[in-house]
Amino acid sequence: KQEVTQIPAALSVPEGENLVLNCSFTDSAIYNLQWFRQDPGKGLTSLLLIQSSQREQTSGRLNASLDKSSGRSTLYIAASQPGDSATYLCAVASGNTGKLIFGQGTTLQVKP
Amino acid sequence: GAGVSQSPSNKVTEKGKDVELRCDPISGHTALYWYRQSLGQGLEFLIYFQGNSAPDKSGLPSDRFSAERTGGSVSTLTIQRTQQEDSAVYLCASSPGQTSYEQYFGPGTRLTVT
Repeated sequence: KQEVTQIPAALSVPEGENLVLNCSFTDSAIYNLQWFRQDPGKGLTSLLLIQSSQREQTSGRLNASLDKSSGRSTLYIAASQPGDSATYLCAVASGNTGKLIFGQGTTLQVKP
Repeated sequence: GAGVSQSPSNKVTEKGKDVELRCDPISGHTALYWYRQSLGQGLEFLIYFQGNSAPDKSGLPSDRFSAERTGGSVSTLTIQRTQQEDSAVYLCASSPGQTSYEQYFGPGTRLTVT
């Protein structure tokens, strides 16, 4: 059974810091991995999608890497801003239907 | 183009009542997924549709939950005899196909059972 773990559960950093969020999964047989952002009381915003054949994806200040063999992904946020404060969720698409299995999320607070 | 839409955005119901939640996927997307986000369980898969058929219903928590999809488009999730533990945000996602494609999420329906 696929399980996804995110570390740390919560993170508080001063504005301007570079930071790394971690995601691990138990079964390397995945189709892709998605990183999402969720603001309080809101839905999911897709940040990055990495296909299983890819090693990384970049969008602006965000960079996500994937090491399928070791079951790990990282989301790197450069020069963090208060507007980055949110919960970040990692999810892997696995099984015959590509359903997403989510981690519990990392709640990020960036202090001005 | 329009994204995934869900209605209602909020629903408050009394314990024991039935509720219907609606999802309108992105036009042309053949795959549709329902998920549930609750405080204790995080985000969990409920059911998957490919066209109008549901080959994976493994996440439905009990036989009080059912879903259908018609015309390869709109989907309805029905919860019968609601219980307080059904309180959660119900999210719908659609995708051009299964497995490798990005899933696009709707804003969700917040269900509160009193």
